[in-house]
Amino acid sequence: QQQVKQSPQSLIVQKGGISIINCAYENTAFDYFPWYQQFPGKGPALLIAIRPDVSEKKEGRFTISFNKSAKQFSLHIMDSQPGDSATYFCAARRQRQLTFGSGTQLTVLP
Amino acid sequence: NAGVTQTPKFRILKIGQSMTLQCAQDMNHNYMYWYRQDPGMGLKLIYYSVGAGITDKGEVPNGYNVSRSTTEYFPLRLELAAPSQTSVYFCASSYSGSPGETQYFGPGTRLLVL
Repeated sequence: QQQVKQSPQSLIVQKGGISIINCAYENTAFDYFPWYQQFPGKGPALLIAIRPDVSEKKEGRFTISFNKSAKQFSLHIMDSQPGDSATYFCAARRQRQLTFGSGTQLTVLP
Repeated sequence: NAGVTQTPKFRILKIGQSMTLQCAQDMNHNYMYWYRQDPGMGLKLIYYSVGAGITDKGEVPNGYNVSRSTTEYFPLRLELAAPSQTSVYFCASSYSGSPGETQYFGPGTRLLVL
């Protein structure tokens, strides 16, 4: 079964702190790992993504760390801001289909 | 561009009723997708299409049907609505299905089956 396990379910961080969200997968056939950000009442939007042959990708304050041997990847949000408060989903792609994690509700306190 | 649009935004159905969720995209994308999102859960793929006239099942297709006669539209049909179909439905599109290709999501349709 294609599963992506995401943790934590919720996360509260102070403004300026680092937010870390973790995901793990089982299927080694996944070939693309995106992270989506979703604000209440909106559809998910692509935030950042990584291929399995890369160990880290950074875009501004957002970084994906990828550990292929452990089959884990994580999202780091540096200098977290109240505007980052949203639900974050990791996902993994195989054969045109995305499998999503269960989501992490991030709250950044001012 | 309007991107991906969905109608209606919210609908209440009685058990056994049928309805069609509408989805349109104006980005000339070949691929389109339907997902459902249950509370506290990630999105699950219902159906997807790689082009007009071509559709395929996703992870949770039971109770749903799709058709795609044009590139722009990808309606999702619910037959004999059940309480288990209470969810938020998202339509998405992408130019291709290749790795690295971004899926663009619509704003969602919230469906309540009573």
